[in-house]
Amino acid sequence: DSGVTQTPKHLITATGQRVTLRCSPRSGDLSVYWYQQSLDQGLQFLIQYYNGEERAKGNILERFSAQQFPDLHSELNLSSLELGDSALYFCASSFTANTEAFFGQGTRLTVV
Amino acid sequence: DAKTTQPPSMDCAEGRAANLPCNHSTISGNEYVYWYRQIHSQGPQYIIHGLKNNETNEMASLIITEDRKSSTLILPHATLRDTAVYYCIVRVALDQGGSEKLVFGKGTKLTVNP
Repeated sequence: DSGVTQTPKHLITATGQRVTLRCSPRSGDLSVYWYQQSLDQGLQFLIQYYNGEERAKGNILERFSAQQFPDLHSELNLSSLELGDSALYFCASSFTANTEAFFGQGTRLTVV
Repeated sequence: DAKTTQPPSMDCAEGRAANLPCNHSTISGNEYVYWYRQIHSQGPQYIIHGLKNNETNEMASLIITEDRKSSTLILPHATLRDTAVYYCIVRVALDQGGSEKLVFGKGTKLTVNP
């Protein structure tokens, strides 16, 4: 158990809908990272937050957004969902940059 | 974006040492080398990291060459449960304020055979 909690574990929704994925980082960790992993694809970095502020962006679509709340949990919002958004979404947390990051078990999103 | 090169696949016999190489020829002086692994579709698992000295923990050893352009992850006694994709990552810190992209490449698919 990495200490990073992601909910829900599985999510099935229809095209055009909006969903919210939640991540609770390890206690004391300030950085949260979001990743997307499509079938047979690598881990694509989406976005990083540090102590409530967005700090780095990767290949995140404009339909996707995220935030980190004062209690340091984070949410990834995916809107106008398309079939191609079906993937595993992972959250990771670390105390700061350059300390080891620990990953949650992911949310498997299926868009039908 | 990945700054590392790894072989796409490797095989290892159960009980033998697994040596996974990684090239990171453009690594900067203040960048760390991290290793993670991903078993099936589980979340990636942190293994070990290092800057320039060799490191060892309960899971593995990390050998970094003196010029820091390559490293080797060693699993001393591989088991079937070590079958996974192993990622070698260079921590790309964009600034000192906690901003970074933790970028994964394609990794090495290690298969441990009985």
